[in-house]
This record gives sequence, C-alpha cells and structure tokens, in this order.
Amino acid sequence: AQSVTQLDSQVPVFEEAPVELRCNYSSSVSVYLFWYVQYPNQGLQLLLKYLSGSTLVKSINGFEAEFNKSQTSFHLRKPSVHISDTAEYFCAVRRNSGYALNFGKGTSLLVTP
Amino acid sequence: NAGVTQTPKFQVLKTGQSMTLQCAQDMNHEYMSWYRQDPGMGLRLIHYSVGAGITDQGEVPNGYNVSRSTTEDFPLRLLSAAPSQTSVYFCASSTDGGSYNEQFFGPGTRLTVL
Repeated sequence: AQSVTQLDSQVPVFEEAPVELRCNYSSSVSVYLFWYVQYPNQGLQLLLKYLSGSTLVKSINGFEAEFNKSQTSFHLRKPSVHISDTAEYFCAVRRNSGYALNFGKGTSLLVTP
Repeated sequence: NAGVTQTPKFQVLKTGQSMTLQCAQDMNHEYMSWYRQDPGMGLRLIHYSVGAGITDQGEVPNGYNVSRSTTEDFPLRLLSAAPSQTSVYFCASSTDGGSYNEQFFGPGTRLTVL
C-alpha cells in the first residue's frame, strides 16, 4: 500500500533561513506525490506535485521539492522562509484506486523573526 | 465557480445523535472524497466515490455512511455520533484528464461530539 512518512512533526526556523521538510514514501507502483499547505483555520491548498518528468518541481512562492526514487523521498525545501510561511505542511501520495490520497501526519513549520 | 462547499462549518452533537455533513462541488468532478483530520494524525480517508452511484471505503469508514446520487453532491452521514468522531472533516474533489490532477478541498466542518 502507498504511504508517506513525515519525519518531523515540528520545524521551528528563523525568518530568512533555509528550511527542509522531509517526506519519505513507500509504493510498489507508479508514484504521484504531493505537498499540501494548510494555513491556520483554513482548508488544504496544493503547493506542488510530482507526476512524471522532471524530478525537481517548484511552486509559485519559492518552495521546491525533488523526487528521489533511489531514496524514496520527496523533501520540500525553501532557501529563505517568510513569517507568512508559518503553516502545516502535508506530504501525500496517490492511492492505487479512487484518486484519493494517503497523507502523512503533517509538519508544523513555525517561522519566527 | 464556488469550488467545493461544505455545510455546516461548525456542529456540536450529543452522543447517539445523527447528522449529515453536506459537500457539493460545481466543477463537474467525477471523484470525491471525505477525510477527517485529527491532531498528530494528518488526514485519513473515510469514504470516496469515483462517480455517481459508486462509493467505496477508505481507511476509517466505521460509523460513517455515504451515497452519491448526483455528480455534484457527496454527503457524509453519522448514524449515531460518538465522541471519537470529534474531528475536522474535509471534503475534496478531483478530475482525471488523462493524468492525475490535484484534489480541491472544501473549507472543512468542525464537529464536536459530547
């Protein structure tokens, strides 16, 4: 079965510092991977996705993630974070059927001045 | 387009009561799903549907029923609420245009069962 593991439940970081949120997956079939962001008291928004092709995918607000098949990872990175990046980040993998997703437990990113 | 809408936003129930969480989408998406979000647990799939008249169970289906009579609507029913069902519930929809497309999430329903 497809699953993801987010290795850090909380990541505190200072503003303008780089950050990496880690995600490892397990899947025996073709992998579709996603990062979603949830700002306080809001629903989930898609941040970026990997379906096929280039292993490095980027979002419009400076985040990027690299699909690494040999390490079964899909870590999320940003070279310089802002206060506004404070949110919960979820890594997810598509299930085999139904087009639903299996989510990790989430990583809470807290950016402080 | 309104996207994915959910009602109500907040609900308090007593143990044993029943209720229906509503979900609707106006994007003509075939695929719809219900998730629950609990602290430290991420989102867990309750039920999903691949089209009108077709539903299936996810990871945590016990205590919940669904039906899909139209493409637009995918209600989630709690037949006899229990405190363990206190959670935030999200509905999502997506379409498949030959490759996998993103899931669009509703704003959520925060349910408390006393």
